[in-house]
Amino acid sequence: DAGITQSPRYKITETGRQVTLMCHQTWSHSYMFWYRQDLGHGLRLIYYSAAADITDKGEVPDGYVVSRSKTENFPLTLESATRSQTSVYFCASSLAGSLAKNIQYFGAGTRLSVL
Amino acid sequence: DQQVKQNSPSLSVQEGRISILNCDYTNSMFDYFLWYKKYPAEGPTFLISISSIKDKNEDGRFTVFLNKSAKHLSLHIVPSQPGDSAVYFCAASAKTGANSKLTFGKGITLSVRP
Repeated sequence: DAGITQSPRYKITETGRQVTLMCHQTWSHSYMFWYRQDLGHGLRLIYYSAAADITDKGEVPDGYVVSRSKTENFPLTLESATRSQTSVYFCASSLAGSLAKNIQYFGAGTRLSVL
Repeated sequence: DQQVKQNSPSLSVQEGRISILNCDYTNSMFDYFLWYKKYPAEGPTFLISISSIKDKNEDGRFTVFLNKSAKHLSLHIVPSQPGDSAVYFCAASAKTGANSKLTFGKGITLSVRP
């Protein structure tokens, strides 16, 4: 049971480059999320998706693009990377609904450095 | 304006003693609260949760207390073990099941000394 996997685990890129972080889950969870973790800020929501082809902005969406053509995949794209986007990125998924109690399950993270 | 606050960035306790991690919130619409634990180089993992209709939930060594009037919750770990050393995030959601969004605090780093 793979659960939720993120790739790559580590990525170094240059300012202005496009980079895509991948997230794949095997639970058929309807909801998926992208967070970034920065010192002094905790976990901040970038984008989330309630189902395939349904996405919405979170707290810090600027500079990011998401898509969800299939339920199991939720890639995050930095169209033109900036140094301020150096961070650790976490993908999460949730079954949602009252019985699931909004518990989110996280991937191991991608550490991104923008030089 | 931060809606979930973990004002103490770190806590150090002796093995075998109680660890008490605090969390405050400002949004009265929050009705479900969760604690996550995070080790270095790993993703956060769900630890324990509590609904606003309860004031206490217990799971083994972990107990979460909710004081709605004070908009305050706390996580008690008894007895604390060195393996509990990690970052603990408090999180909250409004309208359980509506959109599954969580608002996280900044986290508390717990160190349990052998």
